[in-house]
Amino acid sequence: DTGVSQNPRHKITKRGQNVTFRCDPISEHNRLYWYRQTLGQGPEFLTYFQNEAQLEKSRLLSDRFSAERPKGSFSTLEIQRTEQGDSAMYLCASSLGYREQFFGPGTRLTVL
Amino acid sequence: AQSVTQLGSHVSVSEGALVLLRCNYSSSVPPYLFWYVQYPNQGLQLLLKYTTGATLVKGINGFEAEFKKSETSFHLTKPSAHMSDAAEYFCAVSGGSGGGADGLTFGKGTHLIIQP
Repeated sequence: DTGVSQNPRHKITKRGQNVTFRCDPISEHNRLYWYRQTLGQGPEFLTYFQNEAQLEKSRLLSDRFSAERPKGSFSTLEIQRTEQGDSAMYLCASSLGYREQFFGPGTRLTVL
Repeated sequence: AQSVTQLGSHVSVSEGALVLLRCNYSSSVPPYLFWYVQYPNQGLQLLLKYTTGATLVKGINGFEAEFKKSETSFHLTKPSAHMSDAAEYFCAVSGGSGGGADGLTFGKGTHLIIQP
């Protein structure tokens, strides 16, 4: 059991640059979720996929954010024209249907 | 809409003492409730969950929680704290089919400090 993996673990970028994160879920899990966690706060839901279909997006997900899960396996989260307010931990989770979500270690983004 | 309130951003207990972390929720549908633990620079690990059935649920590492519908609470307890329990604890709720069809709603977290 390899668990949920996320890459990179840390990313430092300059304001205005684009960044992309990858999430590999547990292999048999059909649902994949993205959350954002800022310092001192709980994770906030961003979006989720069932297989390759993106079924829900939070209003937190601005137009600069896009997520894909092209073959229903791994997922990518891209942030265009990063802003300092995008600095956060980005967490990915997966689940099998309606069962509990298993979280990855997160990608910590720092925007300078 | 769902929400979660965790009372106390920091809780300090002595090693061997009772741990009590409070969580209250609001949900327009029967909730599914979760407690997660997060160690520094790591993701979240599920401690326990309530879906249906028995209202007292047992989790890993000696933790348990009781779902009290009348009080809209799901407090987390452990009879005897251990130094390794020091971490951030998050209560979360989901509704409808419950497993997270619309994502989990988390509280702001409680930082548990264990005094030697």
